[in-house]
Amino acid sequence: DAKTTQPTSMDCAEGRAANLPCNHSTISGNEYVYWYRQIHSQGPQYIIHGLKNNETNEMASLIITEDRKSSTLILPHATLRDTAVYYCIVREVDSSYKLIFGSGTRLLVRP
Amino acid sequence: DTEVTQTPKHLVMGMTNKKSLKCEQHMGHRAMYWYKQKAKKPPELMFVYSYEKLSINESVPSRFSPECPNSSLLNLHLHALQPEDSALYLCASSQPPRTGRNTFGSGTRLTVV
Repeated sequence: DAKTTQPTSMDCAEGRAANLPCNHSTISGNEYVYWYRQIHSQGPQYIIHGLKNNETNEMASLIITEDRKSSTLILPHATLRDTAVYYCIVREVDSSYKLIFGSGTRLLVRP
Repeated sequence: DTEVTQTPKHLVMGMTNKKSLKCEQHMGHRAMYWYKQKAKKPPELMFVYSYEKLSINESVPSRFSPECPNSSLLNLHLHALQPEDSALYLCASSQPPRTGRNTFGSGTRLTVV
């Protein structure tokens, strides 16, 4: 699975959009981008995943660049409850059971 | 029911003790996982059960022994642990073939003294 690079930490103001970048320059054509988050003292939570088209669900939007070398997770109106570590993971969908977490981005939402 | 339930939430055990961690899900998921997470580190995969059969063991020491009695339950038996085994142990499940979408429990925080 391709390696990902994320900033160690970010912050944003409550009510504003949080844009979390992820670099995956070695991604191959059959690899998907997954995002999870882990709120303190909880297990990770699946957020969204995509291949090449932009995706949106009730939690977030995922924007993948045309060359697929990077992506951005967007939380449109961040709340204090969105403070968490956000993990970007690249894997071949359904090819194996492995989910390999990188170091992630620690997002702090400020009041 | 969309949850993975882990018990106990906290466990303190001595190095000579035998204990078990339990995990339960009723989502009909046929893949179940154990992860280990040290403080300020990402989760690391330990074991995967697929359709109640052990399919992945990430070279975990034998003092950790997984068991999948049925499709809803997953246990992790612990024996002769070391203090460095203290960590958050997370259970997860998913429904093949969508194995990228794991549902995680809140974990068992284990302290070995």
